[in-house]
Amino acid sequence: DVKVTQSSRYLVKRTGEKVFLECVQDMDHENMFWYRQDPGLGLRLIYFSYDVKMKEKGDIPEGYSVSREKKERFSLILESASTNQTSMYLCASSSTLGVNTEAFFGQGTRLTVV
Amino acid sequence: DQQVKQNSPSLSVQEGRISILNCDYTNSMFDYFLWYKKYPAEGPTFLISISSIKDKNEDGRFTVFLNKSAKHLSLHIVPSQPGDSAVYFCAASGVSSNTGKLIFGQGTTLQVKP
Repeated sequence: DVKVTQSSRYLVKRTGEKVFLECVQDMDHENMFWYRQDPGLGLRLIYFSYDVKMKEKGDIPEGYSVSREKKERFSLILESASTNQTSMYLCASSSTLGVNTEAFFGQGTRLTVV
Repeated sequence: DQQVKQNSPSLSVQEGRISILNCDYTNSMFDYFLWYKKYPAEGPTFLISISSIKDKNEDGRFTVFLNKSAKHLSLHIVPSQPGDSAVYFCAASGVSSNTGKLIFGQGTTLQVKP
């Protein structure tokens, strides 16, 4: 059974704090992604990584950074949390094997910045 | 610029009837399309996909139709069941990108009434 695990279901942080969101996958996938979900805006891509130590900006990278030191782990970092980063954060992974493959998602982290 | 659009934020249908969810895209380089289902406080789960070489793909109660000339796809659920009540996201990717990056629509909330 494939699994993407996010370290926290719910987080409350203060404005200005540095926040780490962790994601681990056990499927040996090359690709990993961080999205945020907001009402009316769908899922928007923050960053993705297609290999260890490789990363690319998505559509909304401002205020975020990422780290991928090991293939199975992809971390999202909010350098200085702000209230407009209150959102549902979703991690996903996918394989590069085959022509078309779906992405598998974690359960999500509901982050509230106060 | 929203490359994948779901113009109906919500849809309500009676149990047993057909649910039709629509999605439009603007990027002609997209050649793989997916539908995800999301319950509150959970991550999205993959439902069904279609490659651009096909115009229909069926899996049990779920059928996806692709009209490339119109850059439009739809998801049909027949018969609809109360457990189908969720948010449905349409997503697209291009085979030229081996990173598996998915672009999502805004989502449509489906309510199936008993």
